[in-house]
Amino acid sequence: QTVVTQEPSFSVSPGETVTLTCGLSSGSVSPSYYPSWYQQAPGQPPRTLIYSTNTRSSGVPDRFSGSILGNRAALTITGAQADDESDYYCVLYMGSGIDWVFGGGTKLTVL
Amino acid sequence: EVQLLESGGGLVQPGGSLRLSCAASGFTFTSSDMAWVRQAPGKGLEWVSTILNSGGVTYYADSVKGRFTISRDNSKNTVYLQMNSLRADDTAVYYCAKVEWLHWFDPWGQGTLVTVSS
Repeated sequence: QTVVTQEPSFSVSPGETVTLTCGLSSGSVSPSYYPSWYQQAPGQPPRTLIYSTNTRSSGVPDRFSGSILGNRAALTITGAQADDESDYYCVLYMGSGIDWVFGGGTKLTVL
Repeated sequence: EVQLLESGGGLVQPGGSLRLSCAASGFTFTSSDMAWVRQAPGKGLEWVSTILNSGGVTYYADSVKGRFTISRDNSKNTVYLQMNSLRADDTAVYYCAKVEWLHWFDPWGQGTLVTVSS
C-alpha cells in the first residue's frame, strides 16, 4: 500500500520562509506523479494552491511555489503571513488502477 | 463563477444508504471529470471516487469499492454518490471536486456531512 508522507506539523514566524514536503513510503516523488497542494483553513473546504508540481492555481499569490527537492515534492511559502496558518495537503496521482493518494497533511502554525 | 454545491448528507444508521448530489455550474460539465473526496472528523483528506466525463468510466478507493457508486446526469449538471452498507468509519464531510486533466482537484465544493451512527 502506497503511503504519502508529510510533516505532521510545522511552525514559522511571520515573514520567514517555510518549505513543506511530500514523500513516498517507498520510492521518489517525480513530476510524473503530478503532485498538487491544497490549503485548508479551519472549517473551510480545501483550496487548490499548486498543481503539476509547480503551477499556481488561479488567484494564488506568488509567495506560494512548488518544486521537487531531492526525492520529495515541496511547497515553499516565502514571507509567511498570519492567514497562512492552515492545514496543507499534497496529493499524488498514482496512475495504476487510477487513484489519487493524499498525504496526511501538515498543520502550519504562524507565530 | 465555477460552483459546486453538495447536498444529501445527514444522519444514517449503520448498514443504511444515502445518496449525495453535487450540482455544478459555471463550467462545461459535460467535458469535465468529477470526484468525491471525504474528510473524517479531525482527520485528513481521502479520495473516494472519480467519474470521467462520459460517465462510462469510474474509479473507487478500496475502502468503498463494492459499497459506493458514482454516477452523473449530464443533462442536470449533477454528479451523485450512492452510498450503501454504510459503516461508522464512513462518517465524514464529503466534498465534490472537479478533476483537472485526471491529475488534480480544482475547484472544491463546500461539502456535506454524513454521520453514520445508531
